[in-house]
Amino acid sequence: GAVVSQHPSWVICKSGTSVKIECRSLDFQATTMFWYRQFPKQSLMLMATSNEGSKATYEQGVEKDKFLINHASLTLSTLTVTSAHPEDSSFYICSASPSLTGRGSYEQYFGPGTRLTVT
Amino acid sequence: SQQGEEDPQALSIQEGENATMNCSYKTSINNLQWYRQNSGRGLVHLILIRSNEREKHSGRLRVTLDTSKKSSSLLITASRAADTASYFCATDAGFQKLVFGTGTRLLVSP
Repeated sequence: GAVVSQHPSWVICKSGTSVKIECRSLDFQATTMFWYRQFPKQSLMLMATSNEGSKATYEQGVEKDKFLINHASLTLSTLTVTSAHPEDSSFYICSASPSLTGRGSYEQYFGPGTRLTVT
Repeated sequence: SQQGEEDPQALSIQEGENATMNCSYKTSINNLQWYRQNSGRGLVHLILIRSNEREKHSGRLRVTLDTSKKSSSLLITASRAADTASYFCATDAGFQKLVFGTGTRLLVSP
């Protein structure tokens, strides 16, 4: 099946620094990728939709200036957590779909997640 | 919140028993999907059922969908210890944006 990778798998950073997380679709092209965050023992919450070649669409309540998303190519999207604070500590997961149009009933393939700890 | 609800929140069974998880959602959907997540890991897609389908099978998995009640169930038959994980339903209301349920933590004891 389709494979999505994330890098790094875990990262520890100090308050005030920025952290970049990469999401790559390894064997398919994805015009659309999604970023989620998950707190311990909770569900996934969609943060934003990343569109190749255009600005990301953020969900209500997600600060676009804090969570910078860049979808530079059809196989790579990055999430940068700027000026990180301890409350940003979470599990960040990306997903991608091999759909060309971005519509329709296609399953998404999820990355393994990145655990961010801000000290 | 648009998030779906799942019950039970936690389920503990013995190997060989069946496990049933339920999911309720709030809006009209194109499809509903079930995912499994092992602790601290990414999600694994289990099964997708479209809004015009009522039941779907995949191996030991059986999913039902009742759009009139806005609910779905996932049945895992003859469970194994390796089935221990969290299970999430996710609804796709369009443009592939998934809204996840609250999840059911399943523990299967040998």
